[in-house]
Parts: sequence; structure tokens; C-alpha cells
Amino acid sequence: SYVLTQPPSVSVAPGKTARITCGGNNIGSKSVHWYQQKPGQAPVLVVYDDTDRPSGIPERFSGSNSGNTATLTISRVEAGDEADYSCQVWDSDSDHYVFGTGTKVTVL
Amino acid sequence: QITLKESGPTLVKPTQTLTLTCTFSGFSLTTSGVGVAWIRQPPGKALEWLALIYWDDDKRYSPSLRSRLTVTKDTSKNQVVLRMTNMDPVDTATYFCAYRAPGIVGHPPRKWFDPWGQGTLVTVSS
Repeated sequence: SYVLTQPPSVSVAPGKTARITCGGNNIGSKSVHWYQQKPGQAPVLVVYDDTDRPSGIPERFSGSNSGNTATLTISRVEAGDEADYSCQVWDSDSDHYVFGTGTKVTVL
Repeated sequence: QITLKESGPTLVKPTQTLTLTCTFSGFSLTTSGVGVAWIRQPPGKALEWLALIYWDDDKRYSPSLRSRLTVTKDTSKNQVVLRMTNMDPVDTATYFCAYRAPGIVGHPPRKWFDPWGQGTLVTVSS
């Protein structure tokens, strides 16, 4: 089955840029979606189809996807961005959905 | 506005069958392309997709849990039900249901989940 690998944690100072990677075999050929999850809350979609943002999500959140790595970038990080972030794809070979291992973003 | 809410037992014993209900509003599970998924998250661990049921009653299951899962829908009640047999302490998790929107004409189908229910914590213990 398809596997998505994320770093367990990323630390970033306020105002700086956080980059969260999601690795998978030829992930560049798939559409990647990203979720933000704060403690005790349900996940919230922040990026879909690699680069698109749902309405209400700040422009500070952006995504890219190429080769074997997809990346969620958070610019001008704020304290409120501290959360867990997970990537997700649909594996067309199996018609199944796959989530990444999750990354905890800490704002220093 | 689309909302979903999970309900069911908070505690089940090992070997028992878990039955969870997702009650939704703001959409119909008879609309072409619509789906409702179940996803779980053990404490401190990653999200895990479990199952998805489509508007046409087609179903998909996680390959690792397929033998234990059954998902059904009741469109008259706006509900989706997940059954998981032979529960084990490792199945302790928060269980979420989530909406999968239909695709827009001329565009690829949507393969993400938005929004999600608040989740319900299920503990498996004797």
C-alpha cells in the first residue's frame, strides 16, 4: 500500500517560514491535500489539490508537489499556526485514501 | 452549511462490535458524487482512513481492516453507520466522519475531506 512520510516535528520562530514535507513514491503524480489539527479539534483542510486554498484559509498557507516530495509552506508564522499537520492523497491504483504520518509544528 | 456529528459508545469491551453513527446535515447522500468517510486517530498518533461510502452505495475499505468493517447508509435519516467487529485495545481512538464533495462538471472528482465531524473517542477496555 502507498505510504506517506512526514517529519515528526518542525519548529519555527514567529514571523519566519515553516516548511512541512510529505514524502511518497512519485507523489508528484498525485494530488496532495493538507489538514491542520489543533489539540482536541477535528482536522481542517488548509490546502487541496497541491496548491489550492479553501475559502477562509490565509494566503500564508501554500503548497507545492513535485517528484517524491510535497511541501506545505506557512509564511509569516503566527502563534495560532501551532498545530499538527497531515498530508493526504488518493491512491488511484487501489481507490483508497492515505494519510501521512503527521507533523507537529511548534512556534518558538 | 454542512455539518456532521459522530455518536456511539465511549467504551467497548475487547471482542465486542463497535457501532458508530454519523448524522449529517446540509447535503444529501443521494446526490451524485457525494461520499462520507470514516477516519480514526489513536491518541497521539496519525490519522487513518477506514472506509468511505458513496451516494450510489459503492463502498471502499482500508485493506488492513477490511475484514472487520462494514459501512452502511440510511438516506432517509441522513445517517451513515460504521460497524467494526472484534474490537481490541489498539482500536482505542477518536473516530471521525467526514464529507467528500462531488466533483464539479469538467473537473476531476474531489478526493479530499471537508468538513469533518467533531469526532468521538472510543476506548476499548475490559
